[in-house]
Amino acid sequence: AQSVTQLGSHVSVSEGALVLLRCNYSSSVPPYLFWYVQYPNQGLQLLLKYTSAATLVKGINGFEAEFKKSETSFHLTKPSAHMSDAAEYFCAVSDFGNEKLTFGTGTRLTIIP
Amino acid sequence: GAGVSQSPSNKVTEKGKDVELRCDPISGHTALYWYRQSLGQGLEFLIYFQGNSAPDKSGLPSDRFSAERTGGSVSTLTIQRTQQEDSAVYLCASSLGVLSETQYFGPGTRLLVL
Repeated sequence: AQSVTQLGSHVSVSEGALVLLRCNYSSSVPPYLFWYVQYPNQGLQLLLKYTSAATLVKGINGFEAEFKKSETSFHLTKPSAHMSDAAEYFCAVSDFGNEKLTFGTGTRLTIIP
Repeated sequence: GAGVSQSPSNKVTEKGKDVELRCDPISGHTALYWYRQSLGQGLEFLIYFQGNSAPDKSGLPSDRFSAERTGGSVSTLTIQRTQQEDSAVYLCASSLGVLSETQYFGPGTRLLVL
């Protein structure tokens, strides 16, 4: 069964600094990987997804993630944090042929002015 | 276009009562998913529909939970004899139905069982 580990339940960065949110996966087959963002009292919004095409994936709001098979990682980055990036971020995995998403425990990102 | 909608947005009920949660997927989306988000368990999969059939019910936590989908559109998640541990946010998502296609989430129903 696949699983996802997000290191750091809370991450704080200064406005304008690099954002790095970590995600490691465990899957028996080549996975599909996703990053979702959740703003307070809202549903989940897709930031980006990896589906076995390019290993560097660009998403919305300036975020990107790199799939590294050797490290079983899919870390999320953004070069310069903005106050509006404050939210909770979830990494998720699904196996091809298995529709359900398995989520990590989430990382709450705080931006320091 | 309209996104996934869920109703009610909030529900407070007493222990032992039954509740029904509704999800309206994006028009044309054949796949529909229910997830639960709680403090203790994080985000967990409950059930998935392709059309009106449910190929994967593996996440339903007990036989008090059931779901149905009619007309390939609206879905209802029913919790019978609610317990306090059922308190959570119930999220619905839909997708076009192609394998591992993007899932679009609704705002959720926040359920509180007193």
